[in-house]
Amino acid sequence: DGGITQSPKYLFRKEGQNVTLSCEQNLNHDAMYWYRQDPGQGLRLIYYSQIVNDFQKGDIAEGYSVSREKKESFPLTVTSAQKNPTAFYLCASSPPFVPANGYTFGSGTRLTVV
Amino acid sequence: AQSVTQLDSQVPVFEEAPVELRCNYSSSVSVYLFWYVQYPNQGLQLLLKYLSGSTLVKSINGFEAEFNKSQTSFHLRKPSVHISDTAEYFCAVRLDTGRRALTFGSGTRLQVQP
Repeated sequence: DGGITQSPKYLFRKEGQNVTLSCEQNLNHDAMYWYRQDPGQGLRLIYYSQIVNDFQKGDIAEGYSVSREKKESFPLTVTSAQKNPTAFYLCASSPPFVPANGYTFGSGTRLTVV
Repeated sequence: AQSVTQLDSQVPVFEEAPVELRCNYSSSVSVYLFWYVQYPNQGLQLLLKYLSGSTLVKSINGFEAEFNKSQTSFHLRKPSVHISDTAEYFCAVRLDTGRRALTFGSGTRLQVQP
């Protein structure tokens, strides 16, 4: 079945370390997105990519980086510059410029700084 | 820039009672509107959407939402809730032009009590 796989499900990071969250999809979607979820704040857009080798900053991109070398993959790196990285991270994908089906979401990665 | 406001962070309700979850948006251009549902530690699932046409849209599990352009609202309703409806509900908007990434509200936690 087609879908989005996020890994790992839980991730612990020491202060000062960079960590990379994986997001892979086999839906043949061109567009992919990363959101951060904090209690009471909903989902906030970090980065998005409408096509391979291109991506744009969202509303809270500081302290994060992404790459889009393959259509299927959109990894997110949380760098040491991100001061408060503890959160639930959600990856999503969609056909570009076609709103009809909304997004397909992965099951998320919960990142905790220890 | 567009924004989405969900006025209630929590809505407690008894089983078989009706419920309304409120959503208002602000945008100067045409929008597409969505409701998503999230169960604990999972990703989001599309509940229903408004793209165009009839302003009343319905889901397969009894939820409905009405697009009101003059009031810029997209409230979610269900005439009789079940325990299994307990979840967090997110309203989202996507612009017809410009940035085509979803903007989410802060979420409403629906707590159905027996």
